[in-house]
Amino acid sequence: SQTIHQWPATLVQPVGSPLSLECTVEGTSNPNLYWYRQAAGRGLQLLFYSVGIGQISSEVPQNLSASRPQDRQFILSSKKLLLSDSGFYLCAWSAQGGQYEQYFGPGTRLTVT
Amino acid sequence: GENVEQHPSTLSVQEGDSAVIKCTYSDSASNYFPWYKQELGKRPQLIIDIRSNVGEKKDQRIAVTLNKTAKHFSLHITETQPEDSAVYFCAASKYNFNKFYFGSGTKLNVKP
Repeated sequence: SQTIHQWPATLVQPVGSPLSLECTVEGTSNPNLYWYRQAAGRGLQLLFYSVGIGQISSEVPQNLSASRPQDRQFILSSKKLLLSDSGFYLCAWSAQGGQYEQYFGPGTRLTVT
Repeated sequence: GENVEQHPSTLSVQEGDSAVIKCTYSDSASNYFPWYKQELGKRPQLIIDIRSNVGEKKDQRIAVTLNKTAKHFSLHITETQPEDSAVYFCAASKYNFNKFYFGSGTKLNVKP
């Protein structure tokens, strides 16, 4: 069966510090991968998605970036965090094709102080 | 691009009553419509989905209906229970399109 992991689970970082969140998927190959951000009490904002290694689509201009160095690894980064980057970051995967369920990871709760 | 609108933003019902959440979409090519439930502090999880070749789908107390002509779909929860309290998101996607368009969410509160 497929499993999706995210770490860390929680993170408190000062403004201006760098960020690296990691997501890995097990039990499937060539998945679509997604990064979402959810502010407190708000909806799901798609940040990036990837259909293959090295292929990244950015949805929202911001100070975040994403990379996919391996088939089942997706990394979200920032060089300098802003207060507005606080939120619940969710990684998700789906099968290729666009009509399949997205499976979400457990999430990373980021607080920027 | 696609635009998915979801109503209401909050819904409060008495335990045992029914709850209905509605979504509209703009792209007539959309043909896959999942519904996710997110409990507080947890990840969203799929509870039911429907494809455009059917008009209704049921799974125990949960059902989804789709009206392709009007471009709207709805989630129906019958005999609500306190554990149904959560935020519900609808979404739309289409063949060979690699992302979902999510609605803004409905916070359902089931009062015991």
